Amino acid sequence: DGGITQSPKYLFRKEGQNVTLSCEQNLNHDAMYWYRQDPGQGLRLIYYSQIVNDFQKGDIAEGYSVSREKKESFPLTVTSAQKNPTAFYLCASSIVGRGVLSPEAFFGQGTRLTVV
Amino acid sequence: AQKVTQAQTEISVVEKEDVTLDCVYETRDTTYYLFWYKQPPSGELVFLIRRNSFDEQNEISGRYSWNFQKSTSSFNFTITASQVVDSAVYFCALRGYNNNDMRFGAGTRLTVKP
Repeated sequence: DGGITQSPKYLFRKEGQNVTLSCEQNLNHDAMYWYRQDPGQGLRLIYYSQIVNDFQKGDIAEGYSVSREKKESFPLTVTSAQKNPTAFYLCASSIVGRGVLSPEAFFGQGTRLTVV
Repeated sequence: AQKVTQAQTEISVVEKEDVTLDCVYETRDTTYYLFWYKQPPSGELVFLIRRNSFDEQNEISGRYSWNFQKSTSSFNFTITASQVVDSAVYFCALRGYNNNDMRFGAGTRLTVKP
């Protein structure tokens, strides 16, 4: 079945460690996104990518890094520079379009990261 | 700058009641797109509807209806005869014409009690 797969579902990190969250899609979408969800704050955009080897910072990119070496994959690294990384992370993808083709985004099931 | 405001943090209703979730947005784009998503307890966001700014026709899909009012920058969502399965967090989102980043509101947690 086509969709977006995020792994792992739960992740625990020690303070000072980097950790990488996986996101894979088989929808043949060009655009991919990472969002962070905190209680009461909705979803905030971390990074997005419209094409392989290119990505842009969102509103809260500090302390995060991404890569887009393949169309299907958009891993997110939470670095030790991120001061409060405990959150729910959602990956999404969409076709790239404008006008009436402006597409909705499809979401994975999320990764819950906890710093211990 | 684009911004989406969902002023209602939590709403609780009894089954079969009608409920309206409010969404107010800000954008400088003349063409833009509005979305509603549902997030059940499993965490995955489920797409419900997309509305283009040049199409102010309201839409009904079963028990769901959406009221888009460009004059007040609002895109409200009504569930008629609510059911327990409607319990979820609902997000309103906005995308500008030339952007591929989607901006979300803070979400409204709807609880439908039997």
